[in-house]
Amino acid sequence: KAGVTQTPRYLIKTRGQQVTLSCSPISGHRSVSWYQQTPGQGLQFLFEYFSETQRNKGNFPGRFSGRQFSNSRSEMNVSTLELGDSALYLCASSPGQVSTDTQYFGPGTRLTVL
Amino acid sequence: GIQVEQSPPDLILQEGANSTLRCNFSDSVNNLQWFHQNPWGQLINLFYIPSGTKQNGRLSATTVATERYSLLYISSSQTTDSGVYFCAVCNRRTGGGNKLTFGTGTQLKVEL
Repeated sequence: KAGVTQTPRYLIKTRGQQVTLSCSPISGHRSVSWYQQTPGQGLQFLFEYFSETQRNKGNFPGRFSGRQFSNSRSEMNVSTLELGDSALYLCASSPGQVSTDTQYFGPGTRLTVL
Repeated sequence: GIQVEQSPPDLILQEGANSTLRCNFSDSVNNLQWFHQNPWGQLINLFYIPSGTKQNGRLSATTVATERYSLLYISSSQTTDSGVYFCAVCNRRTGGGNKLTFGTGTQLKVEL
């Protein structure tokens, strides 16, 4: 099976712009989670989608949003970018809706905000 | 929320040496995973181990759920083992679903 894929891999934006990142989970997986990794804050949970519904949300401002499509692919959007949004954004997929599922991560999208 | 602490924060080894990485967590968990983050940033699954012991080649892991800690053992280390090792946990009190809480990681460098 193909692994989790994320596009684009690298992105450079300027303050005030918005950005959309995409994640395709492992075939058959229905849960997609997003994480932000920065040197200062480490790895932090953004949100999780299951069957097109947001099931859990981390402590991030409303500028961060996401959605999931019927084929389980997910997108996250960040509006009005700030310098502090520069980070590695990781997507994880898992088979179902139980917290005991193993999560598998994609290669990440590295976002730089200038 | 649940707290996850990893030790040591940094570790330098000579190739061929053994090491033990530790992960302490503050509450009961129903999911615990160990990851290795490669230089390009991808998190590679090492173990899913909410309890018990598992081995995979030179790596093994043990989680003692009742005492709220997990250990990752690396034997006969190689330079390719370098990178950051993360422990991540999930419990029912995180609001359900698959929210993983990560530790701050152990940065491992293996030298020739």
